[in-house]
Parts: sequence; C-alpha cells; structure tokens
Amino acid sequence: AQTVTQSQPEMSVQEAETVTLSCTYDTSESNYYLFWYKQPPSRQMILVIRQEAYKQQNATENRFSVNFQKAAKSFSLKISDSQLGDTAMYFCAFRTNAGNMLTFGGGTRLMVKP
Amino acid sequence: EPEVTQTPSHQVTQMGQEVILRCVPISNHLYFYWYRQILGQKVEFLVSFYNNEISEKSEIFDDQFSVERPDGSNFTLKIRSTKLEDSAMYFCASSKTGTGGGTDTQYFGPGTRLTVL
Repeated sequence: AQTVTQSQPEMSVQEAETVTLSCTYDTSESNYYLFWYKQPPSRQMILVIRQEAYKQQNATENRFSVNFQKAAKSFSLKISDSQLGDTAMYFCAFRTNAGNMLTFGGGTRLMVKP
Repeated sequence: EPEVTQTPSHQVTQMGQEVILRCVPISNHLYFYWYRQILGQKVEFLVSFYNNEISEKSEIFDDQFSVERPDGSNFTLKIRSTKLEDSAMYFCASSKTGTGGGTDTQYFGPGTRLTVL
C-alpha cells in the first residue's frame, strides 16, 4: 500500500516571498503520478501541479514548481512570489499507473501574510 | 470553466437513516469518484465508477455504501444505515479518462458535509 506524508501541518510566509512545502511518499511501484492540490477556505480542491514519475524534468506551472526526487521519494512544492490568494490547505497526492485511486497526505495549511 | 457540483452542501441525519449524496460531474467526463474526509484526518478514497460499474473501491466502501448513475448527469452515493462515524465531508470527483495523458486529472466538487446525530 502507498502512503503519503506531509510533515508540516502549518506554515506561514510573507507576501511576495517563496515557500516550500514538503511531501514524501512510500511505494514499490516504478510508474506513478504525483499531484499537489490546493483547498482554499471555500473547500473546493483544485489541482495545482502534477508530475509523472517517468519524467526527470520537474514540473512547473507559473509560480508553482516541484522538486521531484524519485530515489528519495520526495515531492516538494515551491511557491514563488506568494500571494494572499495562495492561503489554503495544500494536499500532496499519489496515484499508481494502474489505478485511479488518489492517496492523499495529511495536508499543510499555508497562511500568506500581508 | 466547467465544475463538479454537489448537493446538498450540508446534510444532517439521524443514526440509522439512509442518506443520498448527489453530484453532477463535468459533462464530458467518464470516470467518477467519491472520497471522504473525517474532520482532522486525511482525504480517503471510497470508490471509482466507470461505464456504469465500480472499477475500484477501498476497504471503507462496505455493503452499507452504494453508488449509482441514475441518469446522464447525476452520480450518487447512498449510505443505507448511517453511523456516527460516517460523519465527514464527502467529495465527488470526475475525470475525462482513467489514467495517463493528462486527461486523467480528477476535478473535485465542493463537498457535502454529512453530520450523523
């Protein structure tokens, strides 16, 4: 069974600064997908970024980028130029290549301060 | 942009009662999912549904749970006899495809908060 761990329950960052959220996972699979989802106070989870395990290049989406370390089973999210709208719960999630089930970490609550 | 919608936003029920949670997935999506999040705990997968049948389910999804796509737009989760421990936020999600290629991204609804008294 896969497990996903987010070791930082809460974090805060000043507006315009950079913050990195940590995620580690455990799997015996070689092909899989990793995701970061954002859940603002309105509660709808939104996909931020995804990474295919077979791709060596780290995914980027505008101000969001990941540091994917496959050997270390680490998948951190970097948010550059933090904005007040980035305040949310962030979930790391894992999915194997064979199934559709997402396995989530416990989440990191990020507060962006003005 | 199309969104997954869920009704009701909050459901209160008595222990032992049946509840039906409703979801309208994104219209051209073919795969549907239910997840739940007990307060303070992780989001947990319940079930996935494709082509009018369950494609994958977790240990949580026991005989008291069932899913149905009663028409071309709705996707429902039924809990036959609710227990106190069923109190949670229930999220519906949908994806265009099952796996791979980027079209397998799961889009989530806002959730239904179920409170069992």
